[in-house]
Formats: sequence, structure tokens, C-alpha cells
Amino acid sequence: GQNIDQPTEMTATEGAIVQINCTYQTSGFNGLFWYQQHAGEAPTFLSYNVLDGLEEKGRFSSFLSRSKGYSYLLLKELQMKDSASYLCAVRVPMIKAAGNKLTFGGGTRVLVKP
Amino acid sequence: ETGVTQTPRHLVMGMTNKKSLKCEQHLGHNAMYWYKQSAKKPLELMFVYNFKEQTENNSVPSRFSPECPNSSHLFLHLHTLQPEDSALYLCASRPIAGSERNTIYFGEGSWLTVV
Repeated sequence: GQNIDQPTEMTATEGAIVQINCTYQTSGFNGLFWYQQHAGEAPTFLSYNVLDGLEEKGRFSSFLSRSKGYSYLLLKELQMKDSASYLCAVRVPMIKAAGNKLTFGGGTRVLVKP
Repeated sequence: ETGVTQTPRHLVMGMTNKKSLKCEQHLGHNAMYWYKQSAKKPLELMFVYNFKEQTENNSVPSRFSPECPNSSHLFLHLHTLQPEDSALYLCASRPIAGSERNTIYFGEGSWLTVV
């Protein structure tokens, strides 16, 4: 089975830093993704990690440790527009066919307060 | 705008109705997906199509019937649904080769309410 855990909700202050953790136990691993989803909108791609270490993209960074089954998304210099849900997803092999599919965690709702 | 367009954005249907959701992308992607997003549940993969061929059916009830007539269009036909099927249905696509093959692009979703 596939199990991906992330906190349900986090609150932070504008200008601060927030770290969203994601732990996973999956049958196979071919990469970990973070998506941002504003209420009523499509999820949008933020980052992709397949090797251990930190990937930095502007105010957002994502870290992966495959041996620990652990990732985090770090949001720096928080802005009000960063209030959204953040989805952790692991790419795993498909069962019935060649190829992979994304399995998602429940998402972490981040609320940025002034 | 992700380049993946879904219609309708909102749909209310009775349990005996037949309706369809439509997804369209002109990004040149070869893989298309249907996902279901229910309140307080993770995004769930429903169907995967690669080059118009269905390669995964994630144990979805037969009251949901997908159709992929070409690589740019994907439909989800709905028949005799239950109230618990009310959810946001997201279409997604990705190229299966090239530098963007690791990126899935989602549509805005179709909000479905079954009454």
C-alpha cells in the first residue's frame, strides 16, 4: 500500500518561514513532488526531488531523504498570497502497466496571517 | 492558466442522470489523467491514458466511464452516481518525454454535486 503523511494545517506570520513535512511509505519510489493549490483552483507544480538533498527555487526549497522516507517544503519570506494547500506527492510504479503514477498526501493548508 | 481546460466548471446532477465531463489540452501532451478530490481526502487517481490507451483503472466503479478519443481530449461519462461521488474532478496531462516529463499540469477542475 501507499502511505503519505503531512500535517493538516499550519499557521504562520507574513515574512516568516514555514516548513511543511511529508513522510512516505510507498511500494517503489520514482520521485517526490510538491504542488500548491489555492482554494477553487488547479494544483500547480512547485518542485521535484528524485535525489537526496535540497532543491532551491526562489523563496521555495524542497528537501528529500530517501533513506528516511522524508521530505519537506520550506517557504521563506511568507506572503499573504502563499495561503494555500500544499500537496506532497510520490511517484510510484503503476501496478497493471509500465509507467508511473502520482500518489498524493492529504495536503497541508497553510494560513498566512498579517 | 495551465493549458488544460475542463468543462463544465460546476455540475449538479440527479442520481438517475447521465452527464459528461470534458477535458482538453493542446500542449502536445501524450498522457492524460482523471483525479478525484473529495473534502478532507487526498487526491485520488482514477484513470490514466497514454497515447489514447487506458493504462490504469484505479478500481473505479463502472458508473464512471472514461473516454479518450485522441491525445488532446478526455471525457468522463457519469451515470447513476451516488451523493458520495460529489467531489472536485481534476483532469491532468503531461508529456511523456522531454524536459517537462516530470511535470503534471492540472486543469481547474469540475465541481460535481450529486443530489
